[in-house]
Order: sequence, then structure tokens, then C-alpha cells
Amino acid sequence: DVKVTQSSRYLVKRTGEKVFLECVQDMDHENMFWYRQDPGLGLRLIYFSYDVKMKEKGDIPEGYSVSREKKERFSLILESASTNQTSMYLCASSLFGLYGQYFGPGTRLTVL
Amino acid sequence: EDQVTQSPEALRLQEGESSSLNCSYTVSGLRGLFWYRQDPGKGPEFLFTLYSAGEEKEKERLKATLTKKESFLHITAPKPEDSATYLCAVQTGGGADGLTFGKGTHLIIQP
Repeated sequence: DVKVTQSSRYLVKRTGEKVFLECVQDMDHENMFWYRQDPGLGLRLIYFSYDVKMKEKGDIPEGYSVSREKKERFSLILESASTNQTSMYLCASSLFGLYGQYFGPGTRLTVL
Repeated sequence: EDQVTQSPEALRLQEGESSSLNCSYTVSGLRGLFWYRQDPGKGPEFLFTLYSAGEEKEKERLKATLTKKESFLHITAPKPEDSATYLCAVQTGGGADGLTFGKGTHLIIQP
């Protein structure tokens, strides 16, 4: 079975802090994704990566950056956390473009 | 802009009462349509991928179908453990593009 793990289930940070969310997949998938999920807005794509060191902006990249130094690891970085970044963050991976994406358990981030 | 609309927003059924969830989409060139199940506090769980109109896929009590404008998730004789939020998503890019999700249908199956 595909396993996608995220470094924290719950995280509380203060406004202005730099925040790192880590995601690791163990199935040698090419593609990795970061989404955020908010009530009433659903899941929205922040960034994705189709190869090591490659990244593409999704629908809502403002305030975020990403890093993919190794194939299995994809990091989401909040350079200066703000309260409107309080959300559930979900990482996903897929083998190739049209294969299903497999999600991690999510990180619930609260920014105070 | 790609749009995915799911209906109803919420659905309450008795155990054994079959029904269907709808996902209508407006996209420029559908490459794949995906169904997910999400339990509270967890990440979405992949269920099905449909690629072309007329395609059907089944898994236990669930069957997904696809037309040129919408997809249905049919639930036959549901059980309480089928209670969850069901998400529909579309992919229009051919490469590693992310998915565009609907807002989901919250399904409750009462014993």
C-alpha cells in the first residue's frame, strides 16, 4: 500500500514565524502535491512537483514556497505565517499524471 | 476556469436505502475524474478514476459512472460505515497537474 506521511498532525505557531511542513512518500512516486482544506472552500492546490527540484504553482501559492531535494520528500514552507493560513494542510503523491493521488493524514495548522 | 459542483451538500439515508451522489463539471478537456472518501480529521482516500464517458467502476457497495457532463456515485444498500464525505475531483492537464475538487457530499447512514 502507498504510504504518505506528514511530520505533524497538529501544529500551533505564532504570526510571523517560519513554518515547515514535511511530507514523505514511500512508493517512488514521481509527483507530489500540497493542498489546503478549509470549510466551505474545499481542497485547493498550493504547489506541486513532478520531479526533484522541479515545482509548479497551483491555484493559491501566495505566501508559500516548496522544496523537493529528494524524490520521496516534499516540504511546504510558510515564510512568515499569518492567521489566514490557519488550515488543514494535505500532502499527496501520484505515480504519474493521470493516476490517482494518494493523500497523507493532514496537518492541522493554527496560527495565533 | 474549471468548475466542479457536487450535490447534494448533505444526505441522510437509512441503512439499506440506496441513493446516488452527483458531480457535475465544466472543464476544458477532461483527462480524468476522481472520487475520494474522506473521514473526519483524515486525508482523502482514493476510490476511483474514470477517464471517458460511459466508463463505470465498482468497489463493494459503490459504483461510479461518467457522462460528458457529470459523474454519479451510486451507493447500494449502504451501511453505517459508509458514512463519510465523498469528494469528486477533475484533472484537465496531461502531466502532473493538480486536481480541482468539488466541495463534497456529506453522507450519513443511520442504523
